[in-house]
Amino acid sequence: GQQLNQSPQSMFIQEGEDVSMNCTSSSIFNTWLWYKQDPGEGPVLLIALYKAGELTSNGRLTAQFGITRKDSFLNISASIPSDVGIYFCAGQLQIPIFGPGTSLSVIP
Amino acid sequence: GAGVSQSPSNKVTEKGKDVELRCDPISGHTALYWYRQSLGQGLEFLIYFQGNSAPDKSGLPSDRFSAERTGGSVSTLTIQRTQQEDSAVYLCASSLRQGGYTEAFFGQGTRLTVV
Repeated sequence: GQQLNQSPQSMFIQEGEDVSMNCTSSSIFNTWLWYKQDPGEGPVLLIALYKAGELTSNGRLTAQFGITRKDSFLNISASIPSDVGIYFCAGQLQIPIFGPGTSLSVIP
Repeated sequence: GAGVSQSPSNKVTEKGKDVELRCDPISGHTALYWYRQSLGQGLEFLIYFQGNSAPDKSGLPSDRFSAERTGGSVSTLTIQRTQQEDSAVYLCASSLRQGGYTEAFFGQGTRLTVV
């Protein structure tokens, strides 16, 4: 079946640093989604990407839909403590298929 | 309501008992998804409803799991004869699925503990 890989699995960064995380798949998707999950909460959508090559920003977040349609990256600039959480990518044809997540810790 | 609502938020049950988990999607959303998230893991797809079409049940892990969606709105996920390995957070999401707009919005989940 479809499987997504995310890297890194976890990261510890200093407040103010930029963050980059990656998602790859062996399958092609029409849509890439990036979600953030805080403890005890459901995932919240950060950015949605619909077209190969598309680069989209949302505040300090920037994400790109890879031109092969098999990968995506998410960058966070100037990290702050509230960026802590688990970041999931999801590729979607009909149903969002989720990666295993990247756990982000920000050291003040 | 404004968002996806799930109930109960927490459920502790004895092994072998049946449980029902409820999801109220965002009004007007035609697509509804159930996922399972085990401790420290990603989201595992369970089942998908889209309008009046037959549901995609391809993610259900065993025949002890079933789900219904009544009137195209509220959904119930039922787990029969619960086992300890069923302990997880069960997440429901809904999406509009109008044209290319398909982002799924999640509820807070039901944390199921089987003892």
